[in-house]
Amino acid sequence: AQSVSQHNHHVILSEAASLELGCNYSYGGTVNLFWYVQYPGQHLQLLLKYFSGDPLVKGIKGFEAEFIKSKFSFNLRKPSVQWSDTAEYFCAVRGSSASKIIFGSGTRLSIRP
Amino acid sequence: NAGVTQTPKFQVLKTGQSMTLQCAQDMNHEYMSWYRQDPGMGLRLIHYSVGAGITDQGEVPNGYNVSRSTTEDFPLRLLSAAPSQTSVYFCASWENRDPYEQYFGPGTRLTVT
Repeated sequence: AQSVSQHNHHVILSEAASLELGCNYSYGGTVNLFWYVQYPGQHLQLLLKYFSGDPLVKGIKGFEAEFIKSKFSFNLRKPSVQWSDTAEYFCAVRGSSASKIIFGSGTRLSIRP
Repeated sequence: NAGVTQTPKFQVLKTGQSMTLQCAQDMNHEYMSWYRQDPGMGLRLIHYSVGAGITDQGEVPNGYNVSRSTTEDFPLRLLSAAPSQTSVYFCASWENRDPYEQYFGPGTRLTVT
C-alpha cells in the first residue's frame, strides 16, 4: 500500500531563508509524486510533480523538488522564501498502477517578515 | 468551467443525524475522490471512484457511503454522524493521464455536536 510521511509538522523561517521540507514515501513500484500547497483560506493547488526523467523537478513560484529513488524521498526546496509562502504544504504519492492519490500529514510553513 | 463545486460550505449536525455532502465537476474527469482534512493529519482519503458506477474505499471509509451514478456527481453520505466526523471535507477530480493533477473543491466544514 502507498503511504507518505512528512516529518516536519511546523516550520518557522525568516524571509530570505532557504527552505527544505522532507517527504518520504512507501510503495513497491514506480511512483508519481506531487507537492500541493494550501494558502490560508484557499483550495489546494499543485506546486509540482514528478513522473519520470530528470529527478530534479521545477514548479511554480520558485519551488523545486528532487526525487531520490534510493531514499524514497521527494523533498521540496526553495532557495529564498517570502512572506507570501506562508501556507500548508502537502506531499502526495500515486503508485503508477493505482487509482488513488495518498497525501502526507502536511507541513505548516510560517514566514516571519 | 466551474471546476469542482461542493455544497454546503458549512454544516452543523447533531450526533446520529445523517446528511449528504454534494460534489460535482464539469471537466468530464473519470476519477473523483473524497478526503477529510484534520489538523496534524493532513488529507486522508475516504472513498474514490474511477468512473460512473465504480467506487472503492480509501484509508478511512467507515461511517461514509458514496455512489457515482454519473460522471459529474460524487456525493458523500454520512450515515449516522459522530463527533469524530467533525472535519473539513474536500472533493477532488482528475484524469488518470498527464498531467495527473487533482482539482479540488472549496471544501465543506462539518461540525458534529
